[in-house]
Parts: sequence; C-alpha cells; structure tokens
Amino acid sequence: GAVVSQHPSWVICKSGTSVKIECRSLDFQATTMFWYRQFPKQSLMLMATSNEGSKATYEQGVEKDKFLINHASLTLSTLTVTSAHPEDSSFYICSARVGQGKKNIQYFGAGTRLSVL
Amino acid sequence: QQQVKQSPQSLIVQKGGISIINCAYENTAFDYFPWYQQFPGKGPALLIAIRPDVSEKKEGRFTISFNKSAKQFSLHIMDSQPGDSATYFCAASNQGGSEKLVFGKGTKLTVNP
Repeated sequence: GAVVSQHPSWVICKSGTSVKIECRSLDFQATTMFWYRQFPKQSLMLMATSNEGSKATYEQGVEKDKFLINHASLTLSTLTVTSAHPEDSSFYICSARVGQGKKNIQYFGAGTRLSVL
Repeated sequence: QQQVKQSPQSLIVQKGGISIINCAYENTAFDYFPWYQQFPGKGPALLIAIRPDVSEKKEGRFTISFNKSAKQFSLHIMDSQPGDSATYFCAASNQGGSEKLVFGKGTKLTVNP
C-alpha cells in the first residue's frame, strides 16, 4: 500500500505555544488529505479535508483559526495547532487519498501524540 | 443517517478461534466499506475493503461479508492469533460524493494464547 509519513510522532509543548504537524505522501501524489483527531479509546473524528492549492474544509465545530491547515504541495499537508492548551492534547492522524472517484483509498499516517502542559 | 454502528465494543477470543465484528449503516449512498486495524499509539492500517457489488471478499484469514438489503457488513478473522489483538474500525463512505470516511466506534479484540 501507499506510505503516508507523519512527523513528529510525539510532541510536548507549553500552553500558549503553536505546534506544527506534517503529513507527507511518500510514494504518490495526494490532492486530498484528511486530518483526524482521536481521543483515548475512542474513534477517529474528522477535523478537516485538506485540498492542494485551496482552503481546507473544516467539519462543524472545528475552529479553523485554531487548527490551521496548509496543503502547499501534492505531497505535503500541515496542521498547526495555534496557542495550544491542555484540552488540545490528543492523538492527531492524517490520511491521504489515493486514486479518484469510486476507486480511491485512504491511507493513514502513524499519528502524532500532542501533549500540552 | 451518517452513523456507522459497530459491535461489540470489545471481544475476547482464544487463539485459533473466529473473531466476528459487525457493523450497520443507514445511508444507502455509502458505496465503500473498509476495515482498519489499529495498534496502540499507531495510525489505522487498511485491512480489507468491499464495495456493494459483491457479498463477500476474502483476503487470507480476513473476510468481509456484506448484506446490502440489511445494510450490514461484518469482518471475520479466521484462526485468530495473539498478533491480531488490536482495535478494529469499520468505516463507510460515499465515493461518488463527499468521500469522507464515517467510522464506527471501534472494537477492541484480544486474542488469548
């Protein structure tokens, strides 16, 4: 399957600072990437859909000014958690879509654990 | 309408046994049904997927059974092994539409040696 790399795998930061998470498709181009958030022992919650060259589409209830998404190239999307607070601590996972239309598949990165002190 | 209901929440199986996880959906526009396997601290990995034009798909020890009329699909893990112990998520999407994956709540599978 296609490889999606996510970096860093774990980050600890102080409250009020910003943290950037990178999601890269290593062996394919991804016009669309997705960002999810997962709380312990819970399912994945879609935060936003990231489209190359255009603004991200955020799910209802997700603060776009808090979670900045940039999809600057066909292989890289970034999620920046701005002015992070302890309640932002979570497991953030990206995925990249391979293929088009009815033949597309989402491959996931390994996730980033964010701990805000 | 957008929910995917998954059961059971947890499952304990003996080595060599069959693990069965069930999912049900409401949205008839869904046309792609993948299963993901997630180990602690890792991202989900695509295990197997099915589209509604077939009723069953098998890959090694993993089989998806799909019942379009009942709007249900299930994952069967044959000859379950301790290494299969993980959380399994079913999902559904409308690939002709928004393509967003809607996930079930997950099933934590424990396979005892």
